[in-house]
Amino acid sequence: DAKTTQPPSMDCAEGRAANLPCNHSTISGNEYVYWYRQIHSQGPQYIIHGLKNNETNEMASLIITEDRKSSTLILPHATLRDTAVYYCIVRALWSGGGADGLTFGKGTHLIIQP
Amino acid sequence: DGGITQSPKYLFRKEGQNVTLSCEQNLNHDAMYWYRQDPGQGLRLIYYSQIVNDFQKGDIAEGYSVSREKKESFPLTVTSAQKNPTAFYLCASTRTSGGAGGELFFGEGSRLTVL
Repeated sequence: DAKTTQPPSMDCAEGRAANLPCNHSTISGNEYVYWYRQIHSQGPQYIIHGLKNNETNEMASLIITEDRKSSTLILPHATLRDTAVYYCIVRALWSGGGADGLTFGKGTHLIIQP
Repeated sequence: DGGITQSPKYLFRKEGQNVTLSCEQNLNHDAMYWYRQDPGQGLRLIYYSQIVNDFQKGDIAEGYSVSREKKESFPLTVTSAQKNPTAFYLCASTRTSGGAGGELFFGEGSRLTVL
């Protein structure tokens, strides 16, 4: 079973910040939170990952709660091209294999409205 | 540019036929993975390999086979034993040591349709 829980869908107005939540209450101390997104009929694309500190890159920001049981991916100024399915997974860094932690749930279908 | 190449992008086969999907990466990654995705569903792990000449079953390995004779290549065979082979197949790879990252890199996928 997936180790994360995400809402199945969300809407956001173009130009506004999109905040995508993820619950991972059973996360282990050595597991990172990774976010990917998948545009229809394409391979998923890596967005960002973090352990416990907040992270920011050119695509998004990742906010992880102090207890690490949940996180939020923030797209600061959503555009129509950000419409995609967003997946949150947890896995230990350098865990080269194992089904555990490398199974993607259904994710959140983010729809950006014009 | 470095990346993962999957081929063919679209494939049709008749029932009872085996088909092999190609996955090649030039990222020098040790670990490679095969996922299956059905409409409206997440990704389910079929097989993975952490090193050449070694691979393990994922959650839904029945009806599939793989080989890892070279670091760059991880082909997936969908056999006639797979009951519902029509799906979107994704290959991915990642490093397993050193430095920052650890993210999975995905190919663009192969869509298999059984007629």
